[in-house]
Amino acid sequence: NAGVTQTPKFRILKIGQSMTLQCAQDMNHNYMYWYRQDPGMGLKLIYYSVGAGITDKGEVPNGYNVSRSTTEDFPLRLELAAPSQTSVYFCASRLRQGTDTQYFGPGTRLTVL
Amino acid sequence: TQLLEQSPQFLSIQEGENLTVYCNSSSVFSSLQWYRQEPGEGPVLLVTVVTGGEVKKLKRLTFQFGDARKDSSLHITAAQPGDTGLYLCAGLSGAGGTSYGKLTFGQGTILTVHP
Repeated sequence: NAGVTQTPKFRILKIGQSMTLQCAQDMNHNYMYWYRQDPGMGLKLIYYSVGAGITDKGEVPNGYNVSRSTTEDFPLRLELAAPSQTSVYFCASRLRQGTDTQYFGPGTRLTVL
Repeated sequence: TQLLEQSPQFLSIQEGENLTVYCNSSSVFSSLQWYRQEPGEGPVLLVTVVTGGEVKKLKRLTFQFGDARKDSSLHITAAQPGDTGLYLCAGLSGAGGTSYGKLTFGQGTILTVHP
């Protein structure tokens, strides 16, 4: 199993551009999450999904959109990129709720100039 | 909004020393997890504590969950350079199906162990 994979690893955007961060997992996990990590701020939840076709907002959803058309994929869309979206983005998945292990991808480092 | 305050934010020690990292909140969590993160990688789960007062040991690492389930600590005995990294605590709130596995993270503690 590859686990949780994310592409791209690095990206530089200009203000106002759009892009999609890709996330895929091959563990047949129901739950998937998107977090952002800013220096010294820990991780904050952007969006999450409990299954294909079901998504909901987390703590910091503004400026982002998600979709979950399959169990495996959970892309994060940035519309009209802003400097405040400069961050490292992590995708994660878990099999079910409760105390199951949450597996994280390697992250995407995004810079908006 | 639930908050987790982690301290200290930075810790720089010599090999062989002991250290403790604290994670505190005014909110009750159903469980608390500790993660370790290396540069350029995602966090990796170390342990989950569920019961108030619970103590778990992972080799030289000891994790404790407070009696009221509002705080936790990570103690490392005889730290080694390989322990260097970012340590994150994360709380899971809501019993059963109410939390959907959403985690609230502390700010993290950057630990550097010098040889």
